[in-house]
Amino acid sequence: GAVVSQHPSWVICKSGTSVKIECRSLDFQATTMFWYRQFPKQSLMLMATSNEGSKATYEQGVEKDKFLINHASLTLSTLTVTSAHPEDSSFYICSARGLRGWNNEQFFGPGTRLTVL
Amino acid sequence: AQSVAQPEDQVNVAEGNPLTVKCTYSVSGNPYLFWYVQYPNRGLQFLLKYITGDNLVKGSYGFEAEFNKSQTSFHLKKPSALVSDSALYFCAVRGRDTDKLIFGTGTRLQVFP
Repeated sequence: GAVVSQHPSWVICKSGTSVKIECRSLDFQATTMFWYRQFPKQSLMLMATSNEGSKATYEQGVEKDKFLINHASLTLSTLTVTSAHPEDSSFYICSARGLRGWNNEQFFGPGTRLTVL
Repeated sequence: AQSVAQPEDQVNVAEGNPLTVKCTYSVSGNPYLFWYVQYPNRGLQFLLKYITGDNLVKGSYGFEAEFNKSQTSFHLKKPSALVSDSALYFCAVRGRDTDKLIFGTGTRLQVFP
């Protein structure tokens, strides 16, 4: 149980285009999903927290107009990188937490590698 | 502010030997503590967590960690390392009044045959 998937697993796009990454909880309902960014040989940095049916909460320094997050259902959250640039190239990882509240650990997706040319 | 330190970028150990990956934390109150493992180009896999109770926590794949409140440490250990344990290990902390995980910078474990 507690499986989180991401799609696509990798994507290459041209500078200026937008890319959508999906995060799904496959066997549980996720009231909260988290989006992280990981640069090579670095730790995960939390970008934003999204709760189903409400606006995402972005961490300081993360542009909410550039990284659009939608959490439309209890099993799906999407991250759209708008007008992507090479500096947006990174490994994006989502995680999901279930209905039972904060004591539940976060379950992580396999990640999406974005390369912007 | 909450923070997590993993002082070693890399740990090398021979197969069959015990391993320790160090983690110290700084957080107010009593934290939740976690260890995750990451294989190349993959997401994080949960290993173990400390919530409350016994200071020695046993997790997946034979790993365990000991919570030491006085030293604010949560070192990851395994009695006998396997080559397949080679991966990137992250320690993380979460305060009891927040749902945000703060990650350490990671420690690359290399187990040699």
